[in-house]
Amino acid sequence: DQQVKQNSPSLSVQEGRISILNCDYTNSMFDYFLWYKKYPAEGPTFLISISSIKDKNEDGRFTVFLNKSAKHLSLHIVPSQPGDSAVYFCAAAGGGADGLTFGKGTHLIIQP
Amino acid sequence: GAVVSQHPSRVICKSGTSVKIECRSLDFQATTMFWYRQFPKKSLMLMATSNEGSKATYEQGVEKDKFLINHASLTLSTLTVTSAHPEDSSFYICSAFSGTGNYGYTFGSGTRLTVV
Repeated sequence: DQQVKQNSPSLSVQEGRISILNCDYTNSMFDYFLWYKKYPAEGPTFLISISSIKDKNEDGRFTVFLNKSAKHLSLHIVPSQPGDSAVYFCAAAGGGADGLTFGKGTHLIIQP
Repeated sequence: GAVVSQHPSRVICKSGTSVKIECRSLDFQATTMFWYRQFPKKSLMLMATSNEGSKATYEQGVEKDKFLINHASLTLSTLTVTSAHPEDSSFYICSAFSGTGNYGYTFGSGTRLTVV
């Protein structure tokens, strides 16, 4: 049973446009959400996070939106750049140090 | 920022041998470390959680006798794949949790294990 779902395995966006990556979760005990970027054969790199008490967090070109009632979050990247091409993982954490639950990832491809 | 060093980055071993993967937190003390495994085209799956000085907690379906985890200090956790088989070939990633401030999950760079 997948508790964190990323329903789009891949997404293609033109350079300069906005990339929107979506993530849904089922466990209402999750209270913290993170987005990671991952290149092949490398560990994930932290991008941005959001606490469940907020509905938006912004860091440069990256913005994460959280809709708790819908159990949905999204990562917006604007403007998209070629270096943004990678796999993006959505992850969720419950209370305490109990590891992260990851979605399956979305492969973002930025086209010139 | 927090740095986690993981090595080796890639290792090839023969079936039946054991392989040890190290995960070190370089500039902070990690009260808890996590070991993940990534199968091709699949998500990162949590294998086990290790707390310094105590036994690791394994996720359902993970063989604790095959994947030995030791967290002997606040800066070092090791994963030993014992009696490796080709099906153990995978990408293993560690993560350290500092337990302070923000959700301080920092990942190592991963280890590509190939069992031949």
